[in-house]
Amino acid sequence: DAGVTQSPTHLIKTRGQQVTLRCSPISGHKSVSWYQQVLGQGPQFIFQYYEKEERGRGNFPDRFSARQFPNYSSELNVNALLLGDSALYLCASSLIGEQYFGPGTRLTVT
Amino acid sequence: ILNVEQSPQSLHVQEGDSTNFTCSFPSSNFYALHWYRWETAKSPEALFVMTLNGDEKKKGRISATLNTKEGYSYLYIKGSQPEDSATYLCASRNNNNDMRFGAGTRLTVKP
Repeated sequence: DAGVTQSPTHLIKTRGQQVTLRCSPISGHKSVSWYQQVLGQGPQFIFQYYEKEERGRGNFPDRFSARQFPNYSSELNVNALLLGDSALYLCASSLIGEQYFGPGTRLTVT
Repeated sequence: ILNVEQSPQSLHVQEGDSTNFTCSFPSSNFYALHWYRWETAKSPEALFVMTLNGDEKKKGRISATLNTKEGYSYLYIKGSQPEDSATYLCASRNNNNDMRFGAGTRLTVKP
């Protein structure tokens, strides 16, 4: 079985641009969560989606948005990028409780 | 405790040493405590999920305990090996399914 996949692996953007990150969950998993991990800190919760509906939102500005598609894949969008948005963005899928992480997308904002 | 805190931040041990680290978490509204092993350039790998006070889990040389009343969990590694070198993350999940991670303990095992 394929694990959680994320694309792209790496991304470089400039301040003010917009970015879309993608995540495909493990087959059969209906819940997808997004995390931001800044170097030296633990992953910070951004969003959780279940059955295409937002189930949880962390303390992130409105520049961050996400959605989940009928096939349970998900996109995370970040508008008006700031230098501080540079981080590893992790996606995790789950069926019941236990989360399985993807490899992450490394976003660098210059 | 409002946040999940892990200690120590980093740890260097010799091959064969046994070691342990701590995760402290908010005990109110607690649902589950997760431990992950995260190697550089890889996805975090789930080690344990514990929910009940007094839970103990074991996988090979790694074990963990849970105290929900006082809000802490210990992770133990017996006879550390170089391949155990990784960051060990804990995360607390509450009844609203909100997961909060600690900053991790970075373990380096020297041959």
